[in-house]
Amino acid sequence: EVQLVESGGGLVQPGSPLKLSCAASGFTFSSNWLNWIRQAPGKGLEWVASINPDGSSTYYPDTVKGRFVVSKDNAKNTGYLQMNNLRSEDTAMYYCARTWLTGNWGQGTLVTVSS
Amino acid sequence: DIVMTQSPFSLAVSEGEMVTINCKSSQSLLSSGNQKNYLAWYQQKPGQSPKLLIYYASTRQSGVPDRFIGSGSGTDFTLTISDVQAEDLADYYCLQHYSSPYTFGAGTKLELK
Repeated sequence: EVQLVESGGGLVQPGSPLKLSCAASGFTFSSNWLNWIRQAPGKGLEWVASINPDGSSTYYPDTVKGRFVVSKDNAKNTGYLQMNNLRSEDTAMYYCARTWLTGNWGQGTLVTVSS
Repeated sequence: DIVMTQSPFSLAVSEGEMVTINCKSSQSLLSSGNQKNYLAWYQQKPGQSPKLLIYYASTRQSGVPDRFIGSGSGTDFTLTISDVQAEDLADYYCLQHYSSPYTFGAGTKLELK
């Protein structure tokens, strides 16, 4: 059974860093893209990062470029989202998802940025 | 950047009715290489993560009831739900994954009349 489990969310102050993890199982992690998507409370879905299977290429929207860094450790079957200089508008549920065509998403981890 | 314009914002329906949700992209999502449209539809119920319904614009994900039908090509896409059931009440989103930055539609809330 395919599973993606996010962790690392919590309450942080503006300007702080936070690192999210996405533990994968049930599929060949090293052969799959990994995506991160967020959803602010009561709002729609927003893509925030993608990384290719071997980790050599990463992609971000302008809203997080330069602040967020996506990575994956294929030996540990785990993906990461390092978030720096967090802002109140980064408050959201963060989901990791396997390549778009599979429909495998985690249950999400909540990040709250507030003083 | 590709802009996804999804409509309507909300829809009130009765069980058994048919509904259509539309998504229009600002650029074509059709790949000349494989003739596939890089457009997906998701369903999200409260407190749950999104569930993939349709990919490549018209291919139903395994286990999705056949009352969910995706259609369209290029820049205009439709999700049709025939014979709406109470369990279909949810938010629906389209996603273009043709090119980065990947973009979602704003969502459609399906409610009970």
